[in-house]
Amino acid sequence: DAKTTQPTSMDCAEGRAANLPCNHSTISGNEYVYWYRQIHSQGPQYIIHGLKNNETNEMASLIITEDRKSSTLILPHATLRDTAVYYCIALKAAGNKLTFGGGTRVLVKP
Amino acid sequence: DVKVTQSSRYLVKRTGEKVFLECVQDMDHENMFWYRQDPGLGLRLIYFSYDVKMKEKGDIPEGYSVSREKKERFSLILESASTNQTSMYLCASARVTPGGEKLFFGSGTQLSVL
Repeated sequence: DAKTTQPTSMDCAEGRAANLPCNHSTISGNEYVYWYRQIHSQGPQYIIHGLKNNETNEMASLIITEDRKSSTLILPHATLRDTAVYYCIALKAAGNKLTFGGGTRVLVKP
Repeated sequence: DVKVTQSSRYLVKRTGEKVFLECVQDMDHENMFWYRQDPGLGLRLIYFSYDVKMKEKGDIPEGYSVSREKKERFSLILESASTNQTSMYLCASARVTPGGEKLFFGSGTQLSVL
């Protein structure tokens, strides 16, 4: 599975959109981009995933660049409860080792 | 909703003890995983299993073993606990789909080895 690179931390204002970048320049054509988040003292939670088209669900939107070398997770209206560590993962297929990088520590401020 | 249940939220054991961490999922998922999480080191994969009686080593399998006798249950075993195995242990399960696998995590077991 391709390596991903994320900023270590970022702050955002409550009520504003939070844009979380992820670089996956070595991603292969059959690797999906997955996002998870981990709120303090809880297990990670699935947010969204995509292959090449932009995706949206009730939690977030995922924008993948045309060359698929990077993506952005968008939390449209950040709340204090969105404070968490966000992990971006490039995953080829099931049954492989699914490893997490360091993630981005997001702090939503009032 | 998918439920992944870990048997204990907090556990205290002594050095040299044999420790069993149990994980049960209720959604008939094929794949199950054990991770440990330490401050500054993130989530590290210990073992995973993609079928009953099957197991694969993750990134840090040393000092651990696993058992998957039934599809819904995946056990992590510390044969002889050591203080460097004090950590948060997280279990996850996943259904295999064409788009990869979406993991569902348990709440974690904070293990302290004294």
